[in-house]
Order: sequence, then structure tokens, then C-alpha cells
Amino acid sequence: EPEVTQTPSHQVTQMGQEVILRCVPISNHLYFYWYRQILGQKVEFLVSFYNNEISEKSEIFDDQFSVERPDGSNFTLKIRSTKLEDSAMYFCASSERQGSTQYFGPGTRLLVL
Amino acid sequence: AQSVAQPEDQVNVAEGNPLTVKCTYSVSGNPYLFWYVQYPNRGLQFLLKYITGDNLVKGSYGFEAEFNKSQTSFHLKKPSALVSDSALYFCAVRPTYILTGGGNKLTFGTGTQLKVEL
Repeated sequence: EPEVTQTPSHQVTQMGQEVILRCVPISNHLYFYWYRQILGQKVEFLVSFYNNEISEKSEIFDDQFSVERPDGSNFTLKIRSTKLEDSAMYFCASSERQGSTQYFGPGTRLLVL
Repeated sequence: AQSVAQPEDQVNVAEGNPLTVKCTYSVSGNPYLFWYVQYPNRGLQFLLKYITGDNLVKGSYGFEAEFNKSQTSFHLKKPSALVSDSALYFCAVRPTYILTGGGNKLTFGTGTQLKVEL
């Protein structure tokens, strides 16, 4: 069964450093998403992406964040200058079309020191 | 704004007994409702969804959920729990496409830890 994959599974970085989290969505899916889950808290929406454009973003997704689909398979989330409060589990998701079920990857656990 | 409430942080049930994990929601218009499960060190796995139609929705691993519009609830159920069902369960909602003008954002509850014991 096709699944969303994410790399790395864990990343430790110093405050102020840039990180790039990578995702490979399910191959025939057209809509891509990032969510995050701070330890002990609920899963929160960050951004949705379609046709090489951001279609929706949350208040969390400020100028420090960016997303990109650099090629036909990868979907990335970049945090330019990490802060301590960016420490969280980051989930990528994809859906076949608008409004259809979102399938999630296993997540990347980011720790900012 | 849409929201989801999962009133129980943890539910304990004996193997073989029925289980219920509660979820209530608030959304403008008709909801699309989802249940996801998260096993330790794993991502969110889709269990089932309600879009329209029959209020009782059947999903993976023998789970089902009942949509109740008057009570704005979407409780997850299973007739006979297994130890392997122990995991963190998330309810999520998003409004219908027409009302959101295209938004796909899922809003999640805080999660309910299900513990099934022998």
C-alpha cells in the first residue's frame, strides 16, 4: 500500500540554524500538507500546498517557514532560523484531491537546543 | 472557527469488552469528520471518516463511529477491544468544501489514550 514517507525521523539542531524536513507524498496525490505536534499538545495545521502554491496557512506559519516541491516527488518544509519553541513532531500529509482523505507520514521529531 | 473536543485523556477497557472514545465538534455548516490512530513512534493512521449518508460509519480494524448531528458528536466504537488497539486516538473535523471555499485544514482534538488490558 502506498504511504507517505518522511526524512529524517529525528533531527537535533541549534537555535538559529536552518532545518529542512523532507517528505515524499503518495505518488498520485496532488495536495500536500504540513502539521506539527508539540509534545503533549494537539496536532496543529501549518500549511497546505497545491499546484506549486500555498493554498492555506495558519498563524503559526510565519516568515520563518517556507515550503517547496523541488521536484516531482519531494515536498519540503524549511525553517530558516529555528527557535526553541519549534521543537515538535512535524507531520507531512497528502491527499489525492481537494477534500479527500489526508494520509500522514510517520513524522520528523525536531529538537531545537 | 472549527473545534474538536475529546473529553477523556485516557480510556481503559478490558480485552473483549466494547470500547467507546468520545468526540464532539463545532463547525460552521456540515462537517467532515475523521478518526486517526497513532501508535508509538508512528504517524497518524486513518481509521474512518464521515462525509454524508449513513450515520454509522465502518472503518479499519473493526472500528466504527456514529455521527449524531443533534449532539454534534462522532464517537468511535468497537464491539470487542483487543490489546493491540492500545494507542492514541485523534478525532478531526473540517467543514464542507463549499463553505470553506476550498480549505482542507483538519482541526484535531487533543487525543485520547486507549489502554486495553488483559
